[in-house]
Amino acid sequence: AQSVTQLDSQVPVFEEAPVELRCNYSSSVSVYLFWYVQYPNQGLQLLLKYLSGSTLVESINGFEAEFNKSQTSFHLRKPSVHISDTAEYFCAVSETGGFKTIFGAGTRLFVKA
Amino acid sequence: NAGVTQTPKFQVLKTGQSMTLQCAQDMNHEYMSWYRQDPGMGLRLIHYSVGAGITDQGEVPNGYNVSRSTTEDFPLRLLSAAPSQTSVYFCASSATTSGEQETQYFGPGTRLLVL
Repeated sequence: AQSVTQLDSQVPVFEEAPVELRCNYSSSVSVYLFWYVQYPNQGLQLLLKYLSGSTLVESINGFEAEFNKSQTSFHLRKPSVHISDTAEYFCAVSETGGFKTIFGAGTRLFVKA
Repeated sequence: NAGVTQTPKFQVLKTGQSMTLQCAQDMNHEYMSWYRQDPGMGLRLIHYSVGAGITDQGEVPNGYNVSRSTTEDFPLRLLSAAPSQTSVYFCASSATTSGEQETQYFGPGTRLLVL
């Protein structure tokens, strides 16, 4: 069975600084990988996903994540964060050919002025 | 499109009571799922469905029932509420391509408090 580990429960960072949110997964088969974002008192929204092809995927608001098969990681990065990026970020994995998506425990990103 | 809707937004129950959390989607998605979100534990899959008449268990199915009589609706039933079921519940739906799940669209959530 697949599992997801998000290594940091909280990440405080100053505005305009770079940030990396770490995600490692385990699975015995090929996987799809996702990052979702949850703003306060809202549901989750897809930020970006890796299904196949290029290992570097980007979102429209400047986040990117790189699929590293050898390290079983899918870390999320942004070179310069904004106050509005303050939210909780969830990494998720789904086995190809399967129907279950498993989520990590989440990382709270606090962007300070 | 309204997307994924959930009712109620908030509910208080007494231990032993039963209730149904409603979820509906208007995107003609085949796949629907229920998650619960608890602090420090992320989202845990309760039950899911790959189409009308087909449901299966997720990670934490005990104490919950589901059915899928139509493509649009996927209600979650708490049979006998317990304080351990106090949580925020999210419903999600997605299209499937070649039988594989794609991006999930989440509802706004239902906050449940069991006393």
